[in-house]
Amino acid sequence: AQSVTQPDIHITVSEGASLELRCNYSYGATPYLFWYVQSPGQGLQLLLKYFSGDTLVQGIKGFEAEFKRSQSSFNLRKPSVHWSDAAEYFCAVGGDTGGFKTIFGAGTRLFVKA
Amino acid sequence: GAVVSQHPSRVICKSGTSVKIECRSLDFQATTMFWYRQFPKQSLMLMATSNEGSKATYEQGVEKDKFLINHASLTLSTLTVTSAHPEDSSFYICSARDVAGGTPYEQYFGPGTRLTVT
Repeated sequence: AQSVTQPDIHITVSEGASLELRCNYSYGATPYLFWYVQSPGQGLQLLLKYFSGDTLVQGIKGFEAEFKRSQSSFNLRKPSVHWSDAAEYFCAVGGDTGGFKTIFGAGTRLFVKA
Repeated sequence: GAVVSQHPSRVICKSGTSVKIECRSLDFQATTMFWYRQFPKQSLMLMATSNEGSKATYEQGVEKDKFLINHASLTLSTLTVTSAHPEDSSFYICSARDVAGGTPYEQYFGPGTRLTVT
């Protein structure tokens, strides 16, 4: 079955500290992986995506993610968090299986403390 | 980049009435659009896949008679919540695939519609 697991419901990080948000997926075919960010009451914004090639992908706002096939993971990282990064982060997987549907993880709420 | 709009952004309706939400792809043609529902502090749950010119495919547990989906053109899909009740209050988000201009695996998301049923 296709699924995405984000083990951390919420994470608190000090401003300026590094961040890593975890994501594990289960997908029967070649996975296409995404990270989205959502501020309260707002829509989704795509941070980055992985389709193929270099397993370390760079995104917007200084975020990056690394695809590790052996671990079925696609963790999101940022070297230095800013207060404006406080939001909900969703990992998602899509592909050929199931009519090109995108499956979302439960999300991780990021809190940033001064 | 590909832009998807939704209208209205917010709607309040009385219990028992119906409300229609529009999803438009502004600069590309979308043969497939998706409708999601998001409850507060929860993830997006796929409700249905909308295909232009054919019937929508609903996910298990979604009442097709309650959530009517029409995808009459390559740029417009509509979701009608019929006989709305307070438990239908939620954030509804649509997305679209730009098969011609992008990859088939990427969806472009609308800004969402906040529905409140009183």
